[in-house]
Amino acid sequence: DQQVKQNSPSLSVQEGRISILNCDYTNSMFDYFLWYKKYPAEGPTFLISISSIKDKNEDGRFTVFLNKSAKHLSLHIVPSQPGDSAVYFCATGYFGNEKLTFGTGTRLTIIP
Amino acid sequence: GAVVSQHPSWVICKSGTSVKIECRSLDFQATTMFWYRQFPKQSLMLMATSNEGSKATYEQGVEKDKFLINHASLTLSTLTVTSAHPEDSSFYICSASEQGVSPLHFGNGTRLTVT
Repeated sequence: DQQVKQNSPSLSVQEGRISILNCDYTNSMFDYFLWYKKYPAEGPTFLISISSIKDKNEDGRFTVFLNKSAKHLSLHIVPSQPGDSAVYFCATGYFGNEKLTFGTGTRLTIIP
Repeated sequence: GAVVSQHPSWVICKSGTSVKIECRSLDFQATTMFWYRQFPKQSLMLMATSNEGSKATYEQGVEKDKFLINHASLTLSTLTVTSAHPEDSSFYICSASEQGVSPLHFGNGTRLTVT
C-alpha cells in the first residue's frame, strides 16, 4: 500500500523552462511535506518543505504547493538548470516527528 | 549545516557473512537515527528507527535478527546485516535530524552487494 505516490517516473524539461513535479498522498492526517533531491549513489538532500497550515512555500528557484483537499503537492523549479537533473522524492509525515514516508521518485532530466 | 557520514560507501561480501554499516552525525547529536533501504528505481523504504540507549523499532516485515541495529552513542548508529544473502543486496541509507527537528539529513548511502 503506497501511501505516497509520484505517478511520473521520469520527466524531461528544456533548460530555462519550468519543471513541475507532482506527488499524491492518501493519509489526510499528514501535516508536513518535504522534497528531497538525490544523485546516483548518494543520499537524498533536503530541498524544501511545507506544513499543512500553508499552501505555498518559496525558496529561490524552488516553490512547493500544497493542495490539502486534493491531497496533492507539487514542486516547481524555475528556471530549470542542468544541475537540477536528479531523482526527486517527495516525503510526508507529521510535524515534529522525524519519521517520513517517501514517494517513489521522479527522475528529472534537464535538456541543455 | 548538519552532516551525516556513512561508512563504507560500498561493500562486497560473500553469502553467509555479516556486514556492518556505520552512520555518524558529525556536528550534532542525534538521539534518533533512521535506516532506509532502496532497491533500484524504487522508493526509500524505512527499515527501522534507531534509538540511542534503547532497542531499535523495526518496521513491519523487517527481520530484527537479520538487521541488527546498535545506537550506542548520540553520534553513532550501526546496522549489521547478518548472514547476508544475495537478496540483501541493496542500497542502505541512514538519516538523522538535529534535536529531533526535521528535515532529516541523510548519509551518502552504502551499496551492499552479496555474492
